[in-house]
Amino acid sequence: NAGVMQNPRHLVRRRGQEARLRCSPMKGHSHVYWYRQLPEEGLKFMVYLQKENIIDESGMPKERFSAEFPKEGPSILRIQQVVRGDSAAYFCASSAGLAGDEQYFGPGTRLTVT
Amino acid sequence: QQQVKQSPQSLIVQKGGISIINCAYENTAFDYFPWYQQFPGKGPALLIAIRPDVSEKKEGRFTISFNKSAKQFSLHIMDSQPGDSATYFCAASPYSGGYQKVTFGIGTKLQVIP
Repeated sequence: NAGVMQNPRHLVRRRGQEARLRCSPMKGHSHVYWYRQLPEEGLKFMVYLQKENIIDESGMPKERFSAEFPKEGPSILRIQQVVRGDSAAYFCASSAGLAGDEQYFGPGTRLTVT
Repeated sequence: QQQVKQSPQSLIVQKGGISIINCAYENTAFDYFPWYQQFPGKGPALLIAIRPDVSEKKEGRFTISFNKSAKQFSLHIMDSQPGDSATYFCAASPYSGGYQKVTFGIGTKLQVIP
């Protein structure tokens, strides 16, 4: 029973490149959340998606960041034209979306922008 | 705007001692208060959670105390063990069905020394 999977675990990008982070939710889960953890800070909510729908993207920066959760395949967090300030750990969590349901977190992707 | 304030940011406790972490929140719409434990290189994992209709919840050596009028809650770890050394995050969210937009505290790095 695999948990939430994220890949890659570590990603190094030069300024101006694109970063694609992938998240495969737990089996049976159709709700995905993305969080960002900056050094020495807590996790900050970015976006909440259900299959093929973005439900809440209030925590997403207005530019360069986008997320999707297609009908088939993993959820993708895409960061265009990365800057040094994007260096952080990005975590996704999944849930079944039922009342009182726990969010299960993946191991995170650590993005370093050089 | 830090909606969930957590202290201390670091804590050193002797083995067998009590670890206490405090949190305060501002948003009265919050009505679900989980605590997460995070080991280095891993994603956060739910440790224990409470809703404001109770003032205390205990699971093994972990206890949450909740003061709704003061908008404060705390985690007590009794008989702290070296294996408890991790970063602990308090969090809060509105409890609206299956959707939980979780707001995290900054985290407390706990070190339990033998």
